[in-house]
Amino acid sequence: GEDVEQSLFLSVREGDSSVINCTYTDSSSTYLYWYKQEPGAGLQLLTYIFSNMDMKQDQRLTVLLNKKDKHLSLRIADTQTGDSAIYFCAETPNQAGTALIFGKGTTLSVSS
Amino acid sequence: DTEVTQTPKHLVMGMTNKKSLKCEQHMGHRAMYWYKQKAKKPPELMFVYSYEKLSINESVPSRFSPECPNSSLLNLHLHALQPEDSALYLCASSQVNSGRTYGETQYFGPGTRLLVL
Repeated sequence: GEDVEQSLFLSVREGDSSVINCTYTDSSSTYLYWYKQEPGAGLQLLTYIFSNMDMKQDQRLTVLLNKKDKHLSLRIADTQTGDSAIYFCAETPNQAGTALIFGKGTTLSVSS
Repeated sequence: DTEVTQTPKHLVMGMTNKKSLKCEQHMGHRAMYWYKQKAKKPPELMFVYSYEKLSINESVPSRFSPECPNSSLLNLHLHALQPEDSALYLCASSQVNSGRTYGETQYFGPGTRLLVL
């Protein structure tokens, strides 16, 4: 069945780079997403990558996709305290009757 | 505009109350979703509407009743809830491509935090 795995916690210092990793199982997924959730808030779409791409860069965010290993990563450059949040990796398997499949979320803690 | 709005932001209700959650989007999306999220957990899909018709019901108890009155609005009617139903309820919307809702980017609202006493 479909499954998305993430490490649960990451702690970095302000100004460092953060790398959040995710593995997924469905090789037919068309899009892979990163959502950010701040305490008490909804999910904010951060970025996404189409499955035929290897990399996508958007300002401080870099997404890397290794389709062979079914591994997705999100790198945040120059991490700020405002980046502290839960980051969810999600995939959309290419089959009817399914929607987003989320990982358990990685809690990023940024210390000054 | 990639905004999905939800009202109310917070709701406290007793187990005998009837209340409704509301969701609205003006992005022209024809798919709308309800998710339930417990603390520190990922969202769990409850319902999917496509072109105002219910297309997915993830075996949700009948005390939750969704309604999609038009392409911009999605409601979730609540009746006789249990304390374990306390959670953050998230609405999302997406385009529908070639009749499919899956594979399309979903945009989420801020959620309604529900407490059932």
